[in-house]
Amino acid sequence: DAGVIQSPRHEVTEMGQEVTLRCKPISGHNSLFWYRQTMMRGLELLIYFNNNVPIDDSGMPEDRFSAKMPNASFSTLKIQPSEPRDSAVYFCASSLANQPQHFGDGTRLSIL
Amino acid sequence: GNSVTQMEGPVTLSEEAFLTINCTYTATGYPSLFWYVQYPGEGLQLLLKATKADDKGSNKGFEATYRKETTSFHLEKGSVQVSDSAVYFCALSLPHGGSQGNLIFGKGTKLSVKP
Repeated sequence: DAGVIQSPRHEVTEMGQEVTLRCKPISGHNSLFWYRQTMMRGLELLIYFNNNVPIDDSGMPEDRFSAKMPNASFSTLKIQPSEPRDSAVYFCASSLANQPQHFGDGTRLSIL
Repeated sequence: GNSVTQMEGPVTLSEEAFLTINCTYTATGYPSLFWYVQYPGEGLQLLLKATKADDKGSNKGFEATYRKETTSFHLEKGSVQVSDSAVYFCALSLPHGGSQGNLIFGKGTKLSVKP
């Protein structure tokens, strides 16, 4: 079975540019989560969706960050404009009902 | 609030040594508890879980017991291998709206096993 698929795996861009991270959850899963991982702050939940509806976005750092889930098989996390402090590994995870979350391999983002 | 505290790393062990990584939690309600493992360059993988007090989760030789009286979920393995080198995360989850809701993670403990 295909797991959670994230793209791109690596992204290097200059500050001020728009960055879009993509996630395809496991088919049939109804919850989707976006996390950010840094050395300083560890793993932080940014936002999660249930049945394509955002449930909790309190972890989104600021208005430069936005996330969408237009359908059950696709989600995006967008940063505009990007800043060097946004450099991190971003993970997407999905789950079904009360089952454990399954993580993608992450997108390593570097903002120069 | 809800939180997870796990021992700071890094932890360095020789092959076949006994492993313990401590994890304690604070939670309102009755959380489910998890250990996730992250190998270099990869995402997190569920290692084991326990959903109620006194449950023992086990997988790949790792074990952890849900201790409500001490609010702990320590990870143990009797004999570690070089291939166990990774970062281990303790986490809790409280049900929310029918889904698993938010996973709250500890900061992770890096384990290095030397041959």
